[in-house]
Amino acid sequence: KAGVTQTPRYLIKTRGQQVTLSCSPISGHRSVSWYQQTPGQGLQFLFEYFSETQRNKGNFPGRFSGRQFSNSRSEMNVSTLELGDSALYLCASSLEEAVEQFFGPGTRLTVL
Amino acid sequence: QKEVEQNSGPLSVPEGAIASLNCTYSDRGSQSFFWYRQYSGKSPELIMFIYSNGDKEDGRFTAQLNKASQYVSLLIRDSQPSDSATYLCAVSPSYNTDKLIFGTGTRLQVFP
Repeated sequence: KAGVTQTPRYLIKTRGQQVTLSCSPISGHRSVSWYQQTPGQGLQFLFEYFSETQRNKGNFPGRFSGRQFSNSRSEMNVSTLELGDSALYLCASSLEEAVEQFFGPGTRLTVL
Repeated sequence: QKEVEQNSGPLSVPEGAIASLNCTYSDRGSQSFFWYRQYSGKSPELIMFIYSNGDKEDGRFTAQLNKASQYVSLLIRDSQPSDSATYLCAVSPSYNTDKLIFGTGTRLQVFP
């Protein structure tokens, strides 16, 4: 069974731009969570989607948004990029009733 | 107080020794506990989960949970240089069992 895939793997943007990241969960997994990982803050929860609905949201500004499609694929968008948004963005999927999450390889975003 | 706390390390152990990684959590009602391993430049990989008080063994890994003390640990027996990585503790809080709160991780170094 294929794992979680994320695209693109690397991105370089400049301040003020926006970016869209994509995540395809493991087949059969309906829950997708997004995390931001930085050296100083560790893994921080952004949001979680289940059946196209945002079920949970972390403490991030409204510039961070996401959505989930009917095939469970998910996208996250960051608008008006800031230098501090440079991070590894990880997507994780899980089965409907399970909390065990399986991570994708991540997208490394660099904001210049 | 952080919801999930880990010593950042590094924890250095010789090859063949037992590595002991510790994690404390603040939500007394938490029910699910996870250990992830993250190699440098890679995404987290689930290695163990535990729900009940006591020990759970899987190969060289043993997870220990003490809910009264709000403490969960991971023991790695016969440590190998390939075990050198950052180990992340994650907890599913009682106020939202669909999400995971991660500690900042403990870096383990196993030297030959």
